[in-house]
Amino acid sequence: KAGVTQTPRYLIKTRGQQVTLSCSPISGHRSVSWYQQTPGQGLQFLFEYFSETQRNKGNFPGRFSGRQFSNSRSEMNVSTLELGDSALYLCASSQNPGQQYEQYFGPGTRLTVT
Amino acid sequence: SQQGEEDPQALSIQEGENATMNCSYKTSINNLQWYRQNSGRGLVHLILIRSNEREKHSGRLRVTLDTSKKSSSLLITASRAADTASYFCATTASGGYNKLIFGAGTRLAVHP
Repeated sequence: KAGVTQTPRYLIKTRGQQVTLSCSPISGHRSVSWYQQTPGQGLQFLFEYFSETQRNKGNFPGRFSGRQFSNSRSEMNVSTLELGDSALYLCASSQNPGQQYEQYFGPGTRLTVT
Repeated sequence: SQQGEEDPQALSIQEGENATMNCSYKTSINNLQWYRQNSGRGLVHLILIRSNEREKHSGRLRVTLDTSKKSSSLLITASRAADTASYFCATTASGGYNKLIFGAGTRLAVHP
């Protein structure tokens, strides 16, 4: 089975712009979660989607949003980018909405905001 | 904010030695997972231990979980240079669906 894929892998944007990141989960996985990793704050949960519904949301401003499609692929969007949004964005997929299964991560998208 | 702490923050050992990393967390959990990350890349899943389990093995990895102390440890035996990476523990809280709460991580350096 192919792993979790994320596109693009690298992105450079200017402050004030918006960006959309994409995540394709492992085939058969219906839960997709997003995380932000920065040197200062570490790994932080953004949100989780299951069956096109957001089930859980982390403590991030409304500029961060996401969605999931019927094929379980997910996108996250960040509007009005700020310098502090520079980070590695990781998505993870899991086969089950329960909590007894492993979550598998993609390689991440490294976003740089200038 | 992160749920717990990991210690040590950094660990430097020689090939062949064992490496032990500890993780503490704050709330009741459903399970705890350990991940490895190489140089800012994606996270590689290592092992999952459920709250009703006390110990689990996978190859050279041994994980223990003590829910009374809200702590876990990861032991890597016979370390190799390729084990050099950052190691993170992550917990899912009861009722938290798949939301993972990560520790700050331990940076392991294994010298040939």
